[in-house]
Amino acid sequence: AQSVTQPDIHITVSEGASLELRCNYSYGATPYLFWYVQSPGQGLQLLLKYFSGDTLVQGIKGFEAEFKRSQSSFNLRKPSVHWSDAAEYFCAVDNNNDMRFGAGTRLTVKP
Amino acid sequence: GAVVSQHPSWVICKSGTSVKIECRSLDFQATTMFWYRQFPKQSLMLMATSNEGSKATYEQGVEKDKFLINHASLTLSTLTVTSAHPEDSSFYICSARDTTNYGYTFGSGTRLTVV
Repeated sequence: AQSVTQPDIHITVSEGASLELRCNYSYGATPYLFWYVQSPGQGLQLLLKYFSGDTLVQGIKGFEAEFKRSQSSFNLRKPSVHWSDAAEYFCAVDNNNDMRFGAGTRLTVKP
Repeated sequence: GAVVSQHPSWVICKSGTSVKIECRSLDFQATTMFWYRQFPKQSLMLMATSNEGSKATYEQGVEKDKFLINHASLTLSTLTVTSAHPEDSSFYICSARDTTNYGYTFGSGTRLTVV
């Protein structure tokens, strides 16, 4: 079955530390891939997306993600986390106009 | 950039009444819009895909007679929760697909509380 998996429900990192949020998908072909961030009670903001080409994608707020076909992964990274990055992060895939979301990873940032 | 306006941002209604939520694409035309439901601390679950000028496509398990979707123009889709019950209380989010930019833009969500 087609699915999007975010293995980590909750991650805590110290401010200034690096961050990696994992995302794996299971689709027959390479879908379009997205990372969104959601603050409490808010809608979703697009951080970055991958359609094709360079497998390392740069996004807003200093985030980047790397598509690895062999691992069916699209992990999100940031070299130095800021307190304002605390939020819920969702990986999403769009396979032929059918967008599905992972369960989300909640990021807590320690001072 | 593309902006989607969702209104109202929150609503409280009595059990048995109906509530309409609007989703507007402000600076682009959206032939396709999507409605999601999100329970606390959970992910977004696709409820239905709204296509301009045609019937919405509902996901399995979503009652189409309870969640009425209308997409009468290229910039507006509405979700009406009919005869609302407390179990319908949730966070509803719409998104619109910007075909010129290939992107999905999300509204800010509507918190529905049925009392």
